[in-house]
Amino acid sequence: DTAVSQTPKYLVTQMGNDKSIKCEQNLGHDTMYWYKQDSKKFLKIMFSYNNKELIINETVPNRFSPKSPDKAHLNLHINSLELGDSAVYFCASSQNGKETQYFGPGTRLLVL
Amino acid sequence: QQPVQSPQAVILREGEDAVINCSSSKALYSVHWYRQKHGEAPVFLMILLKGGEQKGHDKISASFNEKKQQSSLYLTASQLSYSGTYFCGTLRGGSQGNLIFGKGTKLSVKP
Repeated sequence: DTAVSQTPKYLVTQMGNDKSIKCEQNLGHDTMYWYKQDSKKFLKIMFSYNNKELIINETVPNRFSPKSPDKAHLNLHINSLELGDSAVYFCASSQNGKETQYFGPGTRLLVL
Repeated sequence: QQPVQSPQAVILREGEDAVINCSSSKALYSVHWYRQKHGEAPVFLMILLKGGEQKGHDKISASFNEKKQQSSLYLTASQLSYSGTYFCGTLRGGSQGNLIFGKGTKLSVKP
């Protein structure tokens, strides 16, 4: 039933580690996104994918890399985690990039 | 490019009305409104498109002044369930889903 799902829900890890967050949508949408929400609740877009092509790549560190094996999945891989990466990461999807965005439940990342 | 929301926070009693504003310095294709409750994901409320088309819920209304690049969200007869942080996201013409969100307006409805 879940439209946009993310795993894991919580992620606690040490500085310097590499981690991945998975996202899947079953809405048949053609565009998927990753957002970062910091402690001040500011929602900032990181990446978006349309038909497996990266169409937006905001000024995020290259330690972050999105990977889309197919239209229904957009995973986020993070290398060499830093304290400042601690945040809630939301995946979202939409149709044609201009319609309603449906958000996943979020992944709460804590880097120690 | 980030839209400016006002007020930053508002406290209401049940049944009272509220208006949340969102303004941009750039020409806009559409304005999106989302509500986020504590510990949850943002949930879609409404899209207002250039040209007057509006998509959203029956119980929430909004306006979009294209000339001024401003949008307002109207919450009438507020209920406890309206509490949360409201975000406007703006989409510029020609961009592909590059929603830029404002910093949010925290709404608290008390009994």
